[in-house]
Amino acid sequence: GAGVSQSPSNKVTEKGKDVELRCDPISGHTALYWYRQSLGQGLEFLIYFQGNSAPDKSGLPSDRFSAERTGGSVSTLTIQRTQQEDSAVYLCASSLERDRGLHTFGSGTRLTVV
Amino acid sequence: KQEVTQIPAALSVPEGENLVLNCSFTDSAIYNLQWFRQDPGKGLTSLLLIQSSQREQTSGRLNASLDKSSGRSTLYIAASQPGDSATYLCAPLINKFYFGSGTKLNVKP
Repeated sequence: GAGVSQSPSNKVTEKGKDVELRCDPISGHTALYWYRQSLGQGLEFLIYFQGNSAPDKSGLPSDRFSAERTGGSVSTLTIQRTQQEDSAVYLCASSLERDRGLHTFGSGTRLTVV
Repeated sequence: KQEVTQIPAALSVPEGENLVLNCSFTDSAIYNLQWFRQDPGKGLTSLLLIQSSQREQTSGRLNASLDKSSGRSTLYIAASQPGDSATYLCAPLINKFYFGSGTKLNVKP
């Protein structure tokens, strides 16, 4: 597609449930990033995929968080046993490796854990 | 770890004023630096990208400068308009972006 697509746009879930957030990057973009923005906070890096290389998971806040990128395209961020502090906007971005920038962001998924 | 600071945290100005938003970062070994705009409830929109070898970039009423050695970037907005009201984020890139907390701009009609 023309831009980075994220789904769902909004998700309300009960504490303790698992959630999956999806990101469709721009076709041909080899780099894919997940960030989150909690209320009143700056953007926080979560995980980075680059081609077939092992992902950089250094930003994942706990082992309840995991992410996959299938076929070098679509990515899924999974949060297990959600907690209220997981409530945030989760943003996905993609870029061409050679540009090392020109990140295009999706509109995000607003996750609310009640 | 890269620390990014943006000053001011918030700014409210009347329409037509020229503005300067400041960004400082602690690790100067960056590939590039990007300025983004974030509107409430929306994703990020890229405004300007400055490569590490460049000193400035211009797009319309926006001009961004980069002093890599001193770890500083500024975003200059000329003739501000109410539609410029948003949060502006500075993000230097090493292997990933490090974001500042942003400057929340309100341009009053």
